[in-house]
Amino acid sequence: DQQVKQNSPSLSVQEGRISILNCDYTNSMFDYFLWYKKYPAEGPTFLISISSIKDKNEDGRFTVFLNKSAKHLSLHIVPSQPGDSAVYFCAASASNSGYALNFGKGTSLLVTP
Amino acid sequence: NAGVTQTPKFQVLKTGQSMTLQCAQDMNHEYMSWYRQDPGMGLRLIHYSVGAGITDQGEVPNGYNVSRSTTEDFPLRLLSAAPSQTSVYFCASSYSNRRYGYTFGSGTRLTVV
Repeated sequence: DQQVKQNSPSLSVQEGRISILNCDYTNSMFDYFLWYKKYPAEGPTFLISISSIKDKNEDGRFTVFLNKSAKHLSLHIVPSQPGDSAVYFCAASASNSGYALNFGKGTSLLVTP
Repeated sequence: NAGVTQTPKFQVLKTGQSMTLQCAQDMNHEYMSWYRQDPGMGLRLIHYSVGAGITDQGEVPNGYNVSRSTTEDFPLRLLSAAPSQTSVYFCASSYSNRRYGYTFGSGTRLTVV
């Protein structure tokens, strides 16, 4: 049973505009959430994280928003750049499971010039 | 370069053969885990470890074995390979502070024929 869901398999955005990637989760024990970026034939690369005690975390062009009541988080990329084109994975972890990550299926982002 | 090293990068096995996927990290990370990535499935957790001598099962542990005798190494053993184990395998490691996320290796692409 998928505990982390990314319902949009793909997203296309123009360069300079905002990219919004969404993620939903079902397990109330998750207390940390992370976003990863993945290029083909490479391992995932950590982007940004957020603790369940916060509702927003920013790092440069990347901002993650968490809505605990809705069990929803989103990643905003502003402004989007062609180099951002990749697959983005949402992941969640719980302190009672060794911090291991539960991943969504990913959203493929294409940023067009 | 510091990071997570996985060997081999590619492997072809015959059904019923056994092998060990190697994973080593030089960052003194406590937490390590193994994931497999299949098309359309995201990354699924196989086994994880919170320190030397401590391992636990993830979402898809059947057919795999792990041990953690040192902080640096976390090998994954396929006991009797099956075609269903054809996948890309990723090893990852992390500090106990989850805000920094897991660092992933570049993956091992395994084909079982």
